[in-house]
Amino acid sequence: EAQVTQNPRYLITVTGKKLTVTCSQNMNHEYMSWYRQDPGLGLRQIYYSMNVEVTDKGDVPEGYKVSRKEKRNFPLILESPSPNQTSLYFCASSLSDRQGQYFGPGTRLTVT
Amino acid sequence: EDQVTQSPEALRLQEGESSSLNCSYTVSGLRGLFWYRQDPGKGPEFLFTLYSAGEEKEKERLKATLTKKESFLHITAPKPEDSATYLCAVHYPYSSASKIIFGSGTRLSIRP
Repeated sequence: EAQVTQNPRYLITVTGKKLTVTCSQNMNHEYMSWYRQDPGLGLRQIYYSMNVEVTDKGDVPEGYKVSRKEKRNFPLILESPSPNQTSLYFCASSLSDRQGQYFGPGTRLTVT
Repeated sequence: EDQVTQSPEALRLQEGESSSLNCSYTVSGLRGLFWYRQDPGKGPEFLFTLYSAGEEKEKERLKATLTKKESFLHITAPKPEDSATYLCAVHYPYSSASKIIFGSGTRLSIRP
């Protein structure tokens, strides 16, 4: 089954404790991206990757890091999380940036 | 400022009552406009991509159209299972790369 998986689905952590949210897709897609979704602000792109070892900033990259060492995986790293990073996070992938994306189920992150 | 605006914010319809959702954008050099459906607690589900003014796409009771400044999602004879939030997103060139920005969505509710 074609899918994008994210782990964990739910995470509660404390300010400053480094965390990684994993994202994996099994469709051999080149384009992958991370979004955060907040009430009243909609979906905002954090980072995206056009292919392996090619990443670029989206609209709200501050406080986040990504890496793309393999085509299927695109982890999101919060090196020092803060409460304003409490949000619902989605990973997505597509064949290219010109095509509609498949979204993962989301990761709900709470930073206290 | 580059923007994507969706209207109305919320729409309640009776089953079988057709209507349209609007997505207007102010970006330059549109590379693609996407429509997604999002159910509560889930990731967005891709519906359509439109690339140029005049283009139309259809899927079951949904039909998406595109002009130079806006897109419409027409829903014909909707059923309760069409209830969801509908999101549009635009892809356009930005600096030496590109951007994808989402609208805030239209919450559609269909009463039996």
